[in-house]
Amino acid sequence: AQKITQTQPGMFVQEKEAVTLDCTYDTSDPSYGLFWYKQPSSGEMIFLIYQGSYDQQNATEGRYSLNFQKARKSANLVISASQLGDSAMYFCAMREGPDQGGKLIFGQGTELSVKP
Amino acid sequence: NAGVMQNPRHLVRRRGQEARLRCSPMKGHSHVYWYRQLPEEGLKFMVYLQKENIIDESGMPKERFSAEFPKEGPSILRIQQVVRGDSAAYFCASSPGQGLGEQFFGPGTRLTVL
Repeated sequence: AQKITQTQPGMFVQEKEAVTLDCTYDTSDPSYGLFWYKQPSSGEMIFLIYQGSYDQQNATEGRYSLNFQKARKSANLVISASQLGDSAMYFCAMREGPDQGGKLIFGQGTELSVKP
Repeated sequence: NAGVMQNPRHLVRRRGQEARLRCSPMKGHSHVYWYRQLPEEGLKFMVYLQKENIIDESGMPKERFSAEFPKEGPSILRIQQVVRGDSAAYFCASSPGQGLGEQFFGPGTRLTVL
């Protein structure tokens, strides 16, 4: 079974609008971390935001926020005030507890295109 | 304060040759992870190493692939007798421990097998 699911292969958003990228996950480990990475066309992996399973509040980093709904096992990324430079692939990833060695499990990605 | 370094950034090999990919983790990081990204796909875990030890190689293909992280020097991912299907981007990430915090990624090595 897929551990990380990103159901939107591609998304379009108008510049300056907000956009939500979906991510659902599956784990029986009570201790886990959720990550979002951005991969522009140049190919590097840029860390955006992190949410721990025990964190009480949703994570925020500048224009990025993570809508963490633990009971629904979802960790959607919200980008506010989209900019042209936000056009890229976005990957959701999960890291399970220390017994799993800390490896990241990635979703298939969502390609975001920001229109001027 | 250098980040994770990988070299080469681009590597071209002919079928049957060997490919060696290098990764220098961030200063103070003793945990290294290798991931592979095939075209149009997400990253897939390959192997997790600490200095002189392979901790988890559950994502490594059974043949032709090996990895090491010696006491001194970078981590090496070695692919013997490359085939066209090995063409991919190979990313290295490092972390200070195996907790739940961030892994810092290198820029990747793009391997093309002709």
